[in-house]
Amino acid sequence: AQRVTQPEKLLSVFKGAPVELKCNYSYSGSPELFWYVQYSRQRLQLLLRHISRESIKGFTADLNKGETSFHLKKPFAQEEDSAMYYCALSKGGATNKLIFGTGTLLAVQP
Amino acid sequence: NAGVTQTPKFQVLKTGQSMTLQCAQDMNHEYMSWYRQDPGMGLRLIHYSVGAGITDQGEVPNGYNVSRSTTEDFPLRLLSAAPSQTSVYFCASIKGGTGELFFGEGSRLTVL
Repeated sequence: AQRVTQPEKLLSVFKGAPVELKCNYSYSGSPELFWYVQYSRQRLQLLLRHISRESIKGFTADLNKGETSFHLKKPFAQEEDSAMYYCALSKGGATNKLIFGTGTLLAVQP
Repeated sequence: NAGVTQTPKFQVLKTGQSMTLQCAQDMNHEYMSWYRQDPGMGLRLIHYSVGAGITDQGEVPNGYNVSRSTTEDFPLRLLSAAPSQTSVYFCASIKGGTGELFFGEGSRLTVL
């Protein structure tokens, strides 16, 4: 079965420290992976997708098919990065049926 | 553009009552989805639609109905509310091409 696993419910780091939010998936086909973010009192929104290979707000994520991972990384955390982060999997590009992980709450301490 | 608009934002129901969560989008997106968000479980897909007149079940469809009479509207109906349906509900419309989901603000439902 297709599944997205985010092993950490909460990740607490200090400002300026590196951040890595883990995401592992199980899917036998060609996945599309996404990171969505929900800041306090804001809507859930797309942060980045692996296809575009872009860096958004200093975050990057590389799809590692061998390890079936799509970890989100940022070299220097900022307080405004504090939010709930969800990793999501699309089966064959069908984003109307995204499979979400359970989410990781990132808390960046001053 | 308002994007995706959900109403109501908050609702308290008694067990057995029925209600409809409204969702409207003004971006002319063909695809729309309903998710529920529960602590420790992330977002789970309830129902989705690929266009007017076409709907299908997601991961957790039991107890919910949907219809899509227009491109803009995608209401979610709770037929006979149960405490297990206490949750935050999110509607999303999906941009063609990129597949990016645009979410509503969410509707917090409590069933007593």
